Amino acid sequence: GQNIDQPTEMTATEGAIVQINCTYQTSGFNGLFWYQQHAGEAPTFLSYNVLDGLEEKGRFSSFLSRSKGYSYLLLKELQMKDSASYLCAVENSNYQLIWGAGTKLIIKP
Amino acid sequence: ETGVTQTPRHLVMGMTNKKSLKCEQHLGHNAMYWYKQSAKKPLELMFVYNFKEQTENNSVPSRFSPECPNSSHLFLHLHTLQPEDSALYLCASSPRHREGTEAFFGQGTRLTVV
Repeated sequence: GQNIDQPTEMTATEGAIVQINCTYQTSGFNGLFWYQQHAGEAPTFLSYNVLDGLEEKGRFSSFLSRSKGYSYLLLKELQMKDSASYLCAVENSNYQLIWGAGTKLIIKP
Repeated sequence: ETGVTQTPRHLVMGMTNKKSLKCEQHLGHNAMYWYKQSAKKPLELMFVYNFKEQTENNSVPSRFSPECPNSSHLFLHLHTLQPEDSALYLCASSPRHREGTEAFFGQGTRLTVV
């Protein structure tokens, strides 16, 4: 089967750094997405990784290792507004999106 | 504002009711999707429309019936639902299906079946 694993919940402190991991087993790989979803709101696109390595976008960075079936989302200088769920999704070789259940990130002052 | 609008935001319906969810996008996208999101579960893709043609139906029960009259509008018709169908129903759009492009989501309809 195909599956995406990510932690259910994480807690971090305002101003700190947090890393949200995502491991995947899929039928092939075309790319990996990260989305942010605030409670009661639409998921919004954060990043898309196709090649191995780190992609930085402001306070957020996303890393991919295709050989290990592994990605992480790194959030720096955490702000209270970063409290949200973070969804990892992998496109398999058929361009089907396989979704993780999401990681709920709680930021404490 | 994500460019994808869903109505209603909340819906409570009995198991014998018939209701419809509406989704509208004015992003010029050609692919539209219905997803089901249940608590602590992965997003479940229900239906895909690409250039107004339904291209995927992921074993969704017939009590859910999609309709795509044009590339900007998508409906999900509901009838004789079950309590386990209670969930957040998300609509999304993307420029084209299966081309590795990001999806833009609506805020969803929170459906409760009583």
